[in-house]
Amino acid sequence: TQLLEQSPQFLSIQEGENLTVYCNSSSVFSSLQWYRQEPGEGPVLLVTVVTGGEVKKLKRLTFQFGDARKDSSLHITAAQPGDTGLYLCAGEGYGGSQGNLIFGKGTKLSVKP
Amino acid sequence: NAGVTQTPKFRILKIGQSMTLQCAQDMNHNYMYWYRQDPGMGLKLIYYSVGAGITDKGEVPNGYNVSRSTTEDFPLRLELAAPSQTSVYFCASSYSKGTSNSYEQYFGPGTRLTVT
Repeated sequence: TQLLEQSPQFLSIQEGENLTVYCNSSSVFSSLQWYRQEPGEGPVLLVTVVTGGEVKKLKRLTFQFGDARKDSSLHITAAQPGDTGLYLCAGEGYGGSQGNLIFGKGTKLSVKP
Repeated sequence: NAGVTQTPKFRILKIGQSMTLQCAQDMNHNYMYWYRQDPGMGLKLIYYSVGAGITDKGEVPNGYNVSRSTTEDFPLRLELAAPSQTSVYFCASSYSKGTSNSYEQYFGPGTRLTVT
């Protein structure tokens, strides 16, 4: 069974601080997706990383896929209150996955002004 | 495009009642999914469909049924509701491979269901 472990589970920081969220597995994934979910809404895709070692930037958010394609990280620089939400990582298996993603349990981020 | 729509937004059921959660998408996506999200537990796949007329079980299918008669619609049926089915239900859709060569999913706003 493929599992994705996210850490930390909760994170409360002040505006302007930096933070990193981790997503780890013992399984290899063909791609890793990051979603953000705000209260009362569905998850929204932020980024997909496909190549081992790949780094993608989305404004103040930096996403990295591990070289072995088993882990990923999300780094936020100078966090803002608007970054508050639940961050979910999701992995796609190889061959025949038919789009079935394995989701981590999420990291709940609170950024205080 | 409205994207993925879900109805109702909220529902309270008594134990043993049944209901259908509606999901529709207007993006012509061939893949559709139903998830449930419990506090602190992430998203768990209930059922999925790779196209009209084709459905398959996910990780937690017991107590649920689905059908996919059209590309647009993917209703989820709960028979004999139980308190363990209290959860937030999300429908999602995807096209086979997006620009990132991956199944990027688009989610609806969710249905919050309470069974008492």
